[in-house]
Amino acid sequence: QVQLVESGGGLVKPGGSLRLSCAASGFTFSDYYMSWIRQAPGKGLEWVSYISSSGSTIYYADSVKGRFTISRDNAKNSLYLQMNSLRAEDTAVYYCASRGYSYAPFDYWGQGTLVTVSS
Amino acid sequence: DIVMTQSPDSLAVSLGERATINCKSSQSVLYSSNNKNYLAWYQQKPGQPPKLLIYWASTRESGVPDRFSGSGSGTDFTLTISSLQAEDVAVYYCQQYYSTPPSTFGPGTKVDIK
Repeated sequence: QVQLVESGGGLVKPGGSLRLSCAASGFTFSDYYMSWIRQAPGKGLEWVSYISSSGSTIYYADSVKGRFTISRDNAKNSLYLQMNSLRAEDTAVYYCASRGYSYAPFDYWGQGTLVTVSS
Repeated sequence: DIVMTQSPDSLAVSLGERATINCKSSQSVLYSSNNKNYLAWYQQKPGQPPKLLIYWASTRESGVPDRFSGSGSGTDFTLTISSLQAEDVAVYYCQQYYSTPPSTFGPGTKVDIK
């Protein structure tokens, strides 16, 4: 069955960096468009970043542009999010999510990994 | 960016009764060339990731009970739970995927048992 497993979250100081990973299994990862979506404690869902199936097209939310970098390794069935210059407002559970094509809902979600930015 | 709003913020419904959640988009999410509304509904239970319930505004995802239904077109949409069960206690989000990026979500509606 489809599985998305995030890792790499933790406690980091403001201005610090963290790299999140998402390991995919149970589907043809290289055919799917992937996104990172976050949820601050007690808050709603915020889309963060998107990468096309080949990795050729990438988008970011304005709130993370210039600080976060999304990437993927289709040979390893993995998605990544490099987060630099972290701020307190980046504190959230980060989910990776898949969609079968560009204009589609998010059909599968990982369990999420918690990122806490605090001194 | 398309802004999504939902109402009410929360509601409490008796077991077996109907629950209705509304979602409104700041611009139409109906794509005229295929007559599809690019609108999805998700269910999120405490401590779990969101789960896709409905897409194209009214198509149930495989395995979703038929007590869940979606309706609406253009800018106004509704998620209805026809007979609320205890396991339906959750927060429900609508999402537009018409204009992406960004793919925007509504603020959520919390459903509880009365």
